[in-house]
Amino acid sequence: DTAVSQTPKYLVTQMGNDKSIKCEQNLGHDTMYWYKQDSKKFLKIMFSYNNKELIINETVPNRFSPKSPDKAHLNLHINSLELGDSAVYFCASSQAPWTGALGGNQPQHFGDGTRLSIL
Amino acid sequence: DQQVKQNSPSLSVQEGRISILNCDYTNSMFDYFLWYKKYPAEGPTFLISISSIKDKNEDGRFTVFLNKSAKHLSLHIVPSQPGDSAVYFCAASVVGRNDMRFGAGTRLTVKP
Repeated sequence: DTAVSQTPKYLVTQMGNDKSIKCEQNLGHDTMYWYKQDSKKFLKIMFSYNNKELIINETVPNRFSPKSPDKAHLNLHINSLELGDSAVYFCASSQAPWTGALGGNQPQHFGDGTRLSIL
Repeated sequence: DQQVKQNSPSLSVQEGRISILNCDYTNSMFDYFLWYKKYPAEGPTFLISISSIKDKNEDGRFTVFLNKSAKHLSLHIVPSQPGDSAVYFCAASVVGRNDMRFGAGTRLTVKP
């Protein structure tokens, strides 16, 4: 059983198009994320949703819009695609972060990524 | 502004020997650290974590050491196995927040 699944795995499209990447988790987690892995291989957080509510929104162009219809899904819609959007996009999920000082954060479970290529 | 740095892009070790992967961070607010392992065409998989209240955490062949004063952590794998060949990412966060910051990764190759 796939815990975090994202589709499609590969997406090749032209500049200016609008595309969506879907993500679903069956782990019962409260929190979901989108990360971008750029050409330098850095994984950078883009968005985080907790129980369908946006809690993290890093400096991301507003062409990127996450949508969470329920806590098991977090889709990423990208308008007017640009060459610089080419990257691998990872979806992840976790339980909500702990708030106790002596605790720790719940590890995140990642999907296998969507490789987006802009022609 | 890279707050988490893995300065070695690659590491090669012989099977059975120890692998030591290093990670440095700059943000003193970080108090929870994780290591992830990634195979090609797959997402990162959680490996081991450590809270800043500890300086060592061990899980089987994997041990993470934390040196808070030096803002440095390391992952030791012993003995190394060919199946350990992957990219290892170091990540740091603040307890109560889930916006982890990742390093660029170190590609470990374990030779038979």
